[in-house]
Amino acid sequence: EDKVVQSPLSLVVHEGDTVTLNCSYEVTNFRSLLWYKQEKKAPTFLFMLTSSGIEKKSGRLSSILDKKELFSILNITATQTGDSAIYLCAVVSDAGNMLTFGGGTRLMVKP
Amino acid sequence: ETGVTQSPTHLIKTRGQQVTLRCSSQSGHNTVSWYQQALGQGPQFIFQYYREEENGRGNFPPRFSGLQFPNYSSELNVNALELDDSALYLCASSSIAQASEQYFGPGTRLTVT
Repeated sequence: EDKVVQSPLSLVVHEGDTVTLNCSYEVTNFRSLLWYKQEKKAPTFLFMLTSSGIEKKSGRLSSILDKKELFSILNITATQTGDSAIYLCAVVSDAGNMLTFGGGTRLMVKP
Repeated sequence: ETGVTQSPTHLIKTRGQQVTLRCSSQSGHNTVSWYQQALGQGPQFIFQYYREEENGRGNFPPRFSGLQFPNYSSELNVNALELDDSALYLCASSSIAQASEQYFGPGTRLTVT
């Protein structure tokens, strides 16, 4: 059974700090790993990673995948209060098109 | 480009009743997946529909069923509601060519009393 574990469970930082969120996984026939941001309801797509070592970047957010060690990190630099949300990591295997999610990391950014 | 929409936003039902939730996929997407998200947890995959047929199913009992229509919209039906069915139900759409890259709707919050 595919498994995704995210850490930390929650995090409180101040505006301007840099944070690193972790996602480790066990999946048979890995295809891709995805990061989402969930503020109120709809998870918003951030990144999809399929290859090791290639950083994906969007503004202050970046993510990288290590397929050998089976983990990914999501970095947020110069955090803002608008970054406060739950960040979800999910994996997809070749066995199907379902996303298997971790429990999420709740980030709170204080002014 | 129209995003994924879901209705209703909120719903309160009594144990034993039946419920139907609706989802319209993002334009250009032909695949719809449904997820259940209990409070404080990550979403769990219920099933996926492609070309009006079920294209994969998670560990949910048969009282969870679905439909996809020719316009790619979809319904999730839950019979014999139980208290544990209280959750946020999320619909996600994708193209079958890029089925991993799924875009979510705002969800339906179902409360079973």
